[in-house]
Amino acid sequence: AQSVTQPDIHITVSEGASLELRCNYSYGATPYLFWYVQSPGQGLQLLLKYFSGDTLVQGIKGFEAEFKRSQSSFNLRKPSVHWSDAAEYFCAVGALSGYSTLTFGKGTMLLVSP
Amino acid sequence: EAQVTQNPRYLITVTGKKLTVTCSQNMNHEYMSWYRQDPGLGLRQIYYSMNVEVTDKGDVPEGYKVSRKEKRNFPLILESPSPNQTSLYFCASRPGGGLTGELFFGEGSRLTVL
Repeated sequence: AQSVTQPDIHITVSEGASLELRCNYSYGATPYLFWYVQSPGQGLQLLLKYFSGDTLVQGIKGFEAEFKRSQSSFNLRKPSVHWSDAAEYFCAVGALSGYSTLTFGKGTMLLVSP
Repeated sequence: EAQVTQNPRYLITVTGKKLTVTCSQNMNHEYMSWYRQDPGLGLRQIYYSMNVEVTDKGDVPEGYKVSRKEKRNFPLILESPSPNQTSLYFCASRPGGGLTGELFFGEGSRLTVL
């Protein structure tokens, strides 16, 4: 069965600083990988996804993520954080077959300091 | 506007009083799913449906029922709610069973069982 680990429960970053949120997955074959963002009181919104091909994927709101098979990682990055990026971020992995379901990590709460 | 609509958004109820959380999507999506979100546990799938009259259990189905009589609707039923079902619930949908389609989330339903 697939699993996802987000090692950091909370991260605080200064506005304008760079950001990296960590995600490690466990899955026997090539995974489908996703990052979602949840703003306070809102549902989850897809930031980006990786299925195959180029291991560096670009998403919305200036985010990018890099798939590293050797490290079983899919870390999310942003070069310069804005106060509006404060939210909870979820990494998810899906199996590559049929009516597959997503397994979500426990989330990382991003706090942005002035 | 493409959306997933859940009702009610907030509900306080008592143990044993049957309740239904409705979910409706206007995107003609085949796949629909229910998740619960609890602090420190992330999102866990309750049930999912691949199409009309086709449903299956997720990771935490105990105490819940679902039905899919129409493509657009996927209600979550708590026949006899208990305090451990106090949680934030999300309905989600995507075009088909494969993972390439984006999963769209509703805004959530916060349920408190006293």
